[in-house]
Amino acid sequence: GAGVSQSPSNKVTEKGKDVELRCDPISGHTALYWYRQSLGQGLEFLIYFQGNSAPDKSGLPSDRFSAERTGGSVSTLTIQRTQQEDSAVYLCASSLDFGLAGYGETQYFGPGTRLLVL
Amino acid sequence: RKEVEQDPGPFNVPEGATVAFNCTYSNSASQSFFWYRQDCRKEPKLLMSVYSSGNEDGRFTAQLNRASQYISLLIRDSKLSDSATYLCVVSPRGAGNNRKLIWGLGTSLAVNP
Repeated sequence: GAGVSQSPSNKVTEKGKDVELRCDPISGHTALYWYRQSLGQGLEFLIYFQGNSAPDKSGLPSDRFSAERTGGSVSTLTIQRTQQEDSAVYLCASSLDFGLAGYGETQYFGPGTRLLVL
Repeated sequence: RKEVEQDPGPFNVPEGATVAFNCTYSNSASQSFFWYRQDCRKEPKLLMSVYSSGNEDGRFTAQLNRASQYISLLIRDSKLSDSATYLCVVSPRGAGNNRKLIWGLGTSLAVNP
């Protein structure tokens, strides 16, 4: 079946511009995660959605970053007034909701959006 | 101390070798453990979950040691296609609705002909 999709796959923007990154999770997956990964670095957690609500926004690096999810499906990550240090790969992942320990926590990743801020 | 720590490597091994990675975690309340692999410039993909009793999937064996708070991944008969970064992932089971997974920085493996 269809996996997680993200768009655009690549984005080049000028410092100070706003960008929107989109994630389409796997159908039926209620949990959605945003991460970013700088070159040669590990995954940095940004935000987690359960349905349309975001119980954990602790990873958003500044108030220039925001995310929303509507209809329990598609999510948009917005970065306002982009800075050069925002350049990274932004990864989205989705997973099933889970009850029992360990069930449904497997995260399936999209191919990422490579953002370059000039 | 980092919540999840891995030796970054790189591990350079010849084809056919057996190689093992360890990963330590700091939160003793952690409940779920995973190994993901990430190829260069690709997204992470689940390799295997790690169960308390240990589990095996073909050439891959994962073990959990709760007392010492580490998990391990053993790869037997290494193939060139095993070259990748292996990410250790831990899910701390706390109160509330926190489902944030904690990711290690990864261990780089290069299998050479």
